[in-house]
Amino acid sequence: GIQVEQSPPDLILQEGANSTLRCNFSDSVNNLQWFHQNPWGQLINLFYIPSGTKQNGRLSATTVATERYSLLYISSSQTTDSGVYFCAVESRGGNNRLAFGKGNQVVVIP
Amino acid sequence: GAGVSQTPSNKVTEKGKYVELRCDPISGHTALYWYRQSLGQGPEFLIYFQGTGAADDSGLPNDRFFAVRPEGSVSTLKIQRTERGDSAVYLCASSLSSGANVLTFGAGSRLTVL
Repeated sequence: GIQVEQSPPDLILQEGANSTLRCNFSDSVNNLQWFHQNPWGQLINLFYIPSGTKQNGRLSATTVATERYSLLYISSSQTTDSGVYFCAVESRGGNNRLAFGKGNQVVVIP
Repeated sequence: GAGVSQTPSNKVTEKGKYVELRCDPISGHTALYWYRQSLGQGPEFLIYFQGTGAADDSGLPNDRFFAVRPEGSVSTLKIQRTERGDSAVYLCASSLSSGANVLTFGAGSRLTVL
């Protein structure tokens, strides 16, 4: 099946700093989503972004489908941004099943 | 409902027992998914329902696992003869099955098998 690799696996940020999380995938996709899992385990959908660029407040994401990667940008980080960020993809012909990466563990310190 | 509801939130059971986990999706969402998340890992796909039927159950690890969605809304994941390796958080998600399948997840059911 499709492989999803996320980097860096762990990241510690000073509050106010910016960061970039990367997701590489091994096959063409027709669905890519970024999720944030908070310290209580709740997964929240951040972006549906199989291609192009989207922005939502301090977060933005870009997917370059032809080069098989996606980036999640966090600007002016806050302590509430702490948690694990997951990239999940569905390959073409993937029958609606999302494959998740192992996540980026982000800790924002005040 | 407003969100995806999962019960119980926590379940502790003994090896060999039978367990049922329930998922109540967002009203109107025809697609329903079960995932399993082990500590330090991303969620792993188990099964996908479109309406009442299991469109893809290829992620179920073995025949001890079974899921139903008899009326196309609430789903139950059933685990027979539980083993310690079944301990994980079981996540349910639903989506409008029309084009972009943006998933909304529930809070999960944490299963611990002693």
